[in-house]
Amino acid sequence: QQQVKQSPQSLIVQKGGIPIINCAYENTAFDYFPWYQQFPGKGPALLIAIRPDVSEKKEGRFTISFNKSAKQFSLHIMDSQPGDSATYFCAASKVGGYQKVTFGIGTKLQVIP
Amino acid sequence: DAGVTQSPTHLIKTRGQQVTLRCSPKSGHDTVSWYQQALGQGPQFIFQYYEEEERQRGNFPDRFSGHQFPNYSSELNVNALLLGDSALYLCASSFVTGGEQYFGPGTRLTVT
Repeated sequence: QQQVKQSPQSLIVQKGGIPIINCAYENTAFDYFPWYQQFPGKGPALLIAIRPDVSEKKEGRFTISFNKSAKQFSLHIMDSQPGDSATYFCAASKVGGYQKVTFGIGTKLQVIP
Repeated sequence: DAGVTQSPTHLIKTRGQQVTLRCSPKSGHDTVSWYQQALGQGPQFIFQYYEEEERQRGNFPDRFSGHQFPNYSSELNVNALLLGDSALYLCASSFVTGGEQYFGPGTRLTVT
């Protein structure tokens, strides 16, 4: 059962482009939606996260858009750079307590110089 | 401040064998979670430990077991290894009160 659906699975953009990764969730009990960045040979690292009471959050070049009614959220990377080439995972969990994070399948992003 | 550390980095085992993976949480964290990440997939939650007890468990068979020690470090044990157990095993630590989970670099397990 895939509780967090992520697309596309791979994405190639030119430097300066704006890649967009989309996710949808099923469990309305989720109340914390993080995005993780993973480089080869490394563990996932938290990039940015959002709570459902906010429709948009920006941190540097990274923006999350959140649509609670549609149960969808997306990551936009502004002015993408070759160093952004990595695998990105959307995820969902419940805040506090024994936090189990449910991940999407991942999007492998390649930014071409 | 050291982050989450895991050992070993890589491991090769034969079907039917048993394996133990180790994790030291980020300083101050009291909760450890384990995830399995198959190639090309997102991490899948195995279980979580707090105060030396398993608090949550994902959809993994009893061949997967764990332990948390008084210093909050943790072990993941897998018995009767199958080829399908080949994966990157990730440890994450956090505070039980909430907040970000910090992931270690993982242990790459190959079962032949």
